[in-house]
Amino acid sequence: EIVMTQSPATLSVSPGERATLSCRASQSVSSNLAWYQQKPGQAPRLLIYGASTRATGIPARFSGSGSGTEFTLTISSLQSEDFAVYYCQQYNNWPPAWTFGQGTKVEIK
Amino acid sequence: EVQLVESGGGLVQPGGSLRLSCAASGFTFSSYSMNWVRQAPGKGLEWVSYISSSSGIIHYADSVKGRFTISRDNAKNSLYLQMNSLRDEDTAVYYCARVIVGATTYGYFDYWGQGTLVTVSS
Repeated sequence: EIVMTQSPATLSVSPGERATLSCRASQSVSSNLAWYQQKPGQAPRLLIYGASTRATGIPARFSGSGSGTEFTLTISSLQSEDFAVYYCQQYNNWPPAWTFGQGTKVEIK
Repeated sequence: EVQLVESGGGLVQPGGSLRLSCAASGFTFSSYSMNWVRQAPGKGLEWVSYISSSSGIIHYADSVKGRFTISRDNAKNSLYLQMNSLRDEDTAVYYCARVIVGATTYGYFDYWGQGTLVTVSS
């Protein structure tokens, strides 16, 4: 099983500041990585797939980078609606066994 | 507009059974693979099961293999999860999610339902 490790567990950021979230895979997943945002009481929402492609309707302040085992999600200027938990997910396994990171909570500083 | 609506959750005793449903609308359901993903209270996301568009390919997480059965009815635009021999650790919100399958990968999840809560407790 590919283990996904996210850091930090909690990130305290002021509105308007930049947030950088990290995700590490226990073995290479190429660029087969997605990022999701989840707000309390809501379902996850797809933000990024293919490590760097924004999903439909996702604002340009969200960007993803990386390949292999190291990935980053950057939120360039945090808006109030961006405070949430963010999960990375790999989809490189065969047979499929999608695994998620444990999440990074972005909270208001 | 793509919509996925889960139902069927509730309180069940350990060892009991429950059948979850996911009603899909706003897209051609029969053309997409689907998944179930769960989230225990206050915890992260855990993939549970996958079914291809024609039901020809099915996969399960080791934690539910032999106890859960995924199925779909393309005529009814519906996805199901039959859960048997339920355990305390199966307590979670269960989400259905649409899969975008890639050329060389099983893909990512582009739409999720709002979830249905399953509580296993005596």
